[in-house]
Amino acid sequence: DVKVTQSSRYLVKRTGEKVFLECVQDMDHENMFWYRQDPGLGLRLIYFSYDVKMKEKGDIPEGYSVSREKKERFSLILESASTNQTSMYLCASSSPVLADYEQYFGPGTRLTVT
Amino acid sequence: EDKVVQSPLSLVVHEGDTVTLNCSYEVTNFRSLLWYKQEKKAPTFLFMLTSSGIEKKSGRLSSILDKKELFSILNITATQTGDSAIYLCAVGGKGNEKLTFGTGTRLTIIP
Repeated sequence: DVKVTQSSRYLVKRTGEKVFLECVQDMDHENMFWYRQDPGLGLRLIYFSYDVKMKEKGDIPEGYSVSREKKERFSLILESASTNQTSMYLCASSSPVLADYEQYFGPGTRLTVT
Repeated sequence: EDKVVQSPLSLVVHEGDTVTLNCSYEVTNFRSLLWYKQEKKAPTFLFMLTSSGIEKKSGRLSSILDKKELFSILNITATQTGDSAIYLCAVGGKGNEKLTFGTGTRLTIIP
């Protein structure tokens, strides 16, 4: 079974802090994604990566950056956390060799910025 | 820009009822439509519908895809309290690894 893990389930940070969210997948997937999920807005794509050191902006990249130094690990960075970044963050992975790019999700990190 | 609209946004029914969740979409070069179930954790995959597979069924859950009218429905019969969750619909286009998600339908089953 594909396993996607995220470094924290719950995280509380202060405004202005630098925040790192880590995601690791164990199925050698090429693609990795970071979403945020907010009530009434669904899942919105922040960044995604097709390969190591490759990244592309999603729909809402402002205030975020990412890093993918190894194939299995995709990090989301909040350079200076703000209260409007309080949200549930979901990581996912997929592979183009799998039929139709089904995405597998991690358990999520609920981030609160105070 | 790809777009997915789910309805209703929320639904409350009694155990044993049948429910129908709706998903309409706009996508360039349709590849697939996926349904996920999300309880208090990661979304879990339910169904994938493509041009070659427009109807899927698993136990009490079934889904169909209407490529002409650009919508899909997810049916759940004889609902149980364990069916309470957010149901997410997503679509993908050919040559594009991204998925576009709808806002989800929050389903609550009352015992």
